Amino acid sequence: SQQGEEDPQALSIQEGENATMNCSYKTSINNLQWYRQNSGRGLVHLILIRSNEREKHSGRLRVTLDTSKKSSSLLITASRAADTASYFCATPYTGANSKLTFGKGITLSVRP
Amino acid sequence: DAGVTQSPTHLIKTRGQQVTLRCSPKSGHDTVSWYQQALGQGPQFIFQYYEEEERQRGNFPDRFSGHQFPNYSSELNVNALLLGDSALYLCASSKQKQLQETQYFGPGTRLLVL
Repeated sequence: SQQGEEDPQALSIQEGENATMNCSYKTSINNLQWYRQNSGRGLVHLILIRSNEREKHSGRLRVTLDTSKKSSSLLITASRAADTASYFCATPYTGANSKLTFGKGITLSVRP
Repeated sequence: DAGVTQSPTHLIKTRGQQVTLRCSPKSGHDTVSWYQQALGQGPQFIFQYYEEEERQRGNFPDRFSGHQFPNYSSELNVNALLLGDSALYLCASSKQKQLQETQYFGPGTRLLVL
């Protein structure tokens, strides 16, 4: 099955530092999506990168995708305490089946 | 423009009871998906509704059922509750023509089964 698996499972950094999170998946994809979840609440979409893209930026976020290695990374630059959250990568099944498959997520703690 | 809304926010039930959770999709969206998220885990797909029919289903027992109304809102019903059904239930909406694109999630309903 397609499944995003993130690493590390937990990350603790100082405010102002950069945070890098990685995701691996198993089968071919149309796109890969990153979501953030604050304190067990709803997921907020951060960024979507398509299979024909290698890098994408959105504000302080930078996402890369390496389809040959079936991996993606999310970089948050100049982190803030408000970035403290869980981060998930998700891949939709290809074709008409669009369910998202999530990994277990990465818990990011940004210390003030 | 209202986003995805869910009700109630929290719910406490006892084993064997039945529960109904509700979701209103984002304006302009016609497809609703439900996910279950156990503590410390990622969301797991339950099922998806479009045109008032279940279109896709994850690996969940028949105790989990749903409904979609003509206004695109949706309900998730769980019968014969088990302790293991305790989780955060998330609703996500999207457009049928853009199923592979971003899904918009509601704040979730936290269900505790005692």
